[in-house]
Amino acid sequence: NAGVTQTPKFQVLKTGQSMTLQCAQDMNHNSMYWYRQDPGMGLRLIYYSASEGTTDKGEVPNGYNVSRLNKREFSLRLESAAPSQTSVYFCASSAQGGDGYTFGSGTRLTVV
Amino acid sequence: KQEVTQIPAALSVPEGENLVLNCSFTDSAIYNLQWFRQDPGKGLTSLLLIQSSQREQTSGRLNASLDKSSGRSTLYIAASQPGDSATYLCAVRASTDSWGKLQFGAGTQVVVTP
Repeated sequence: NAGVTQTPKFQVLKTGQSMTLQCAQDMNHNSMYWYRQDPGMGLRLIYYSASEGTTDKGEVPNGYNVSRLNKREFSLRLESAAPSQTSVYFCASSAQGGDGYTFGSGTRLTVV
Repeated sequence: KQEVTQIPAALSVPEGENLVLNCSFTDSAIYNLQWFRQDPGKGLTSLLLIQSSQREQTSGRLNASLDKSSGRSTLYIAASQPGDSATYLCAVRASTDSWGKLQFGAGTQVVVTP
């Protein structure tokens, strides 16, 4: 089925460890996004990529890096995980200009 | 900075009753507003998208209205069913945004009891 695929679905990290969250979409969308969702705070944008080869910071970029590997794939990296990064992470994609927003099923990350 | 608020945070209604969910935003310079549904442990599913020039959008039992000047949108769900139990989030896109970035409310958690 067409959509946005995220891996892994669950992850537990120790403080200071690093990891990369993977995201791939097969809808030929230009724009991709990483959001985090925390209780009572809705979703907040971490980074976005308007097109292949470009990335830009969102509302809460500190502690994260991203790579837009090609049109399909957009990864999020935590270089040195902190307990404050415990959250649910969602990848999303959209057509040019934000139409057809589609979300992945999320990665639940716990940092201990 | 745009602030999006959804009140109440949680709502419980008996089956068959109409649902009214509210969303308010502080900056009326929006490009569009979307309503999403989120089931526990799942991603978000887009329900309705209202462009800034529109006053409402309808899909089946769902109707969303938009009053840009007062900074409000309302999602109506007619004749609620237990399957409507979920968290509903609204999100706005600024009129100055070229890349589809959304500002989300915290959501309203809805429980429809049989």
